[in-house]
Amino acid sequence: QKEVEQNSGPLSVPEGAIASLNCTYSDRVSQSFFWYRQYSGKSPELIMSIYSNGDKEDGRFTAQLNKASQYVSLLIRDSQPSDSATYLCAVNDWGGGADGLTFGKGTHLIIQP
Amino acid sequence: DADVTQTPRNRITKTGKRIMLECSQTKGHDRMYWYRQDPGLGLRLIYYSFDVKDINKGEISDGYSVSRQAQAKFSLSLESAIPNQTALYFCATSDTRDRAARAFFGQGTRLTVV
Repeated sequence: QKEVEQNSGPLSVPEGAIASLNCTYSDRVSQSFFWYRQYSGKSPELIMSIYSNGDKEDGRFTAQLNKASQYVSLLIRDSQPSDSATYLCAVNDWGGGADGLTFGKGTHLIIQP
Repeated sequence: DADVTQTPRNRITKTGKRIMLECSQTKGHDRMYWYRQDPGLGLRLIYYSFDVKDINKGEISDGYSVSRQAQAKFSLSLESAIPNQTALYFCATSDTRDRAARAFFGQGTRLTVV
């Protein structure tokens, strides 16, 4: 049984600071890693995906992957109040399809104005 | 218009009633999924389908059934609703050709069983 662990929070960060969200996973064969953002009562929205060790940047978001440590993180620079949401980490293995997509329970992020 | 559309968006039903949640997509994806989300429990997979002729149980299929009427349509039924099926339900799609198998979600259906 694959497991994806996240600190549920809430994580409170001042506006303009860097928010750092972390995730660990149990299955070493995992190859695809995703961060979804979910506003209260809304659907998860894919914001980042990463497949190789290292960093991947997209605007204010940076995903970091360390397969040896089975660790994925998401950094949000210049945090804005609109970034306040729950962030879901998800992992998958190549060719597994989303039947193999395993979600963490999410970290609730609060950006304080 | 949303690529993945769920109907209804909100529904209140009585215990013992049969209810169907519908999902349609215009993304051209072959794979479709039903998840439920409960506070503190995260997203849990109910059923998934790789094509019209392929239906598979997920983690929590008891009390649910599904029908894949077409590549673009996947419905979830609760044969006899019970209060602990009160939850937020999401349909999702992915593309077999996408090796990373990114999943895209519908807007969700909030179901309350009283």
